[in-house]
Amino acid sequence: GIQVEQSPPDLILQEGANSTLRCNFSDSVNNLQWFHQNPWGQLINLFYIPSGTKQNGRLSATTVATERYSLLYISSSQTTDSGVYFCAVYQQFNKFYFGSGTKLNVKP
Amino acid sequence: DAGVIQSPRHEVTEMGQEVTLRCKPISGHDYLFWYRQTMMRGLELLIYFNNNVPIDDSGMPEDRFSAKMPNASFSTLKIQPSEPRDSAVYFCASSHPRPGQGTTGANVLTFGAGSRLTVL
Repeated sequence: GIQVEQSPPDLILQEGANSTLRCNFSDSVNNLQWFHQNPWGQLINLFYIPSGTKQNGRLSATTVATERYSLLYISSSQTTDSGVYFCAVYQQFNKFYFGSGTKLNVKP
Repeated sequence: DAGVIQSPRHEVTEMGQEVTLRCKPISGHDYLFWYRQTMMRGLELLIYFNNNVPIDDSGMPEDRFSAKMPNASFSTLKIQPSEPRDSAVYFCASSHPRPGQGTTGANVLTFGAGSRLTVL
């Protein structure tokens, strides 16, 4: 199956700082989603972004499908941003492949 | 919409017991997925259904695991007999229409809150 690599694996930020999370994938994809798993374990969909750029408040995402990567930007981070961020890609046959995640800890 | 609803949220059982996890997908979603999350293996797709029919169960770890979807609003994942290595968080997710098609917000994978299973 398709390989999905996320970096960095761990990230510690001071509240108010900005960050960029990266997702690389090994083949062309039909769909890409970013999820946030909060400290209670819930997986929240952040973006559906197979290509282009989207913004939602302090978060934005860019996917460059031709170069097989996606970036998630978090600006002015808050403690509530803590958790694990997953990238998931869909190629075919309805199988989403998940990266191993970036664990973010935002300190007050 | 209430989202994807899973029950129970937490289950503690003893090795050898039968475990049944339940899921109600979002109304109108015709794809349903069962995932398992562990520290060692991350998120793994176990099985998925389309219009109540199992399409791919290649991720089901062994015969002790079975899943059913008797109607569009209900699915179960059963483990019999359970073993300590089955301890994990089990997620149900649904989507509509087929993941990967279209560009609207409806084409996204939406997860339930998960069922945390501990087998002693």
